[in-house]
Amino acid sequence: NAGVTQTPKFQVLKTGQSMTLQCAQDMNHNSMYWYRQDPGMGLRLIYYSASEGTTDKGEVPNGYNVSRLNKREFSLRLESAAPSQTSVYFCASSEARGWGNIQYFGAGTRLSVL
Amino acid sequence: AQKVTQAQTEISVVEKEDVTLDCVYETRDTTYYLFWYKQPPSGELVFLIRRNSFDEQNEISGRYSWNFQKSTSSFNFTITASQVVDSAVYFCALTEGAGSYQLTFGKGTKLSVIP
Repeated sequence: NAGVTQTPKFQVLKTGQSMTLQCAQDMNHNSMYWYRQDPGMGLRLIYYSASEGTTDKGEVPNGYNVSRLNKREFSLRLESAAPSQTSVYFCASSEARGWGNIQYFGAGTRLSVL
Repeated sequence: AQKVTQAQTEISVVEKEDVTLDCVYETRDTTYYLFWYKQPPSGELVFLIRRNSFDEQNEISGRYSWNFQKSTSSFNFTITASQVVDSAVYFCALTEGAGSYQLTFGKGTKLSVIP
């Protein structure tokens, strides 16, 4: 019972490099989310996808792009990484958007940008 | 705008003590949902409980209990007879309304249970 799977678990980038964080869920959920977690800040929403084929900005979208590849997969891309993007990134999914649907989280990706 | 405040940044207790984690929220909506998540040292986020704004009944699950009080906009979490495995960061979160995607988290409370 995998739930939400994120790859990679750890990554170190140099400033200006690009990379894509991958996320897949096997719960047949419609909605998927990307958050970042910074020390003392809680989690902040970067982008979300309410359903396959749609994506929308969250609270902190600058410097990121997303792709909802299919119902299972939702990727997050950093086109030109900056030290300010050093963070732990979490992907989550929920059955649908709204009505207090529970969001289930992956194990996270620790990203360091030097 | 919605907001969640967890005033306790860090708490340390000795094993078997009871501990309460505070959560105060702000929202203009009459329909909203409150959550608690646990983040153990391994880093993943684990869902613990969801409460909707129309259900003020307190809930107990084993050693865990939750006290929801709309009058004080609080949704506090108590661990009875704490254990070392309870050591984690605990997040309270809020989402408003029917179609909202926005899950707003508090900054978390780090609980350390000392053997």
